[in-house]
Amino acid sequence: DVKVTQSSRYLVKRTGEKVFLECVQDMDHENMFWYRQDPGLGLRLIYFSYDVKMKEKGDIPEGYSVSREKKERFSLILESASTNQTSMYLCASRGQSRHTIYFGEGSWLTVV
Amino acid sequence: KNQVEQSPQSLIILEGKNCTLQCNYTVSPFSNLRWYKQDTGRGPVSLTIMTFSENTKSNGRYTATLDADTKQSSLHITASQLSDSASYICVVRRGGTASKLTFGTGTRLQVTL
Repeated sequence: DVKVTQSSRYLVKRTGEKVFLECVQDMDHENMFWYRQDPGLGLRLIYFSYDVKMKEKGDIPEGYSVSREKKERFSLILESASTNQTSMYLCASRGQSRHTIYFGEGSWLTVV
Repeated sequence: KNQVEQSPQSLIILEGKNCTLQCNYTVSPFSNLRWYKQDTGRGPVSLTIMTFSENTKSNGRYTATLDADTKQSSLHITASQLSDSASYICVVRRGGTASKLTFGTGTRLQVTL
């Protein structure tokens, strides 16, 4: 089974803190994604990566950055957390020739 | 504007009953449509993926239909179980080089005794 693992399930951070959300997939997938999910808004794409060291902005990249130093790992970074970044963050991965996207279990971030 | 609209927003049904969830989209050009199930506090899990040429696809008690002409899809759940309680998300992938996914906001299904 494909496994996408998000290392932190629940985090509480203070405004202005730097936050790292880590994601690891075990299927050698080229494509990896970070979404945030808020009630009534559906999933919104923050950033995605189609290869190591490659990244592309999604729909809502402001306030976020990403890092993909290894194929299996995709990190989301909040340089200076703000309360409006309180949300559920979902990591996902997909193989190059595959349709199915596999999601992690999500990371609930609260910024106080 | 490329959009995906789902209805109803929420639904409560008795265990054992059938239900149908709707998805209308305006995404163009169309590549494929996916239905995901998301349990509370968990990540979405794929149920079905349908391309332009597929009208119906089943996965156990879940049957998805697609009418690419009217840009509508439905997810039918047969003989519902308590474990079907979840949000069901319709996702449409745009064709072409952009290849973007557009997510619906989901239908929240609750199955009760």
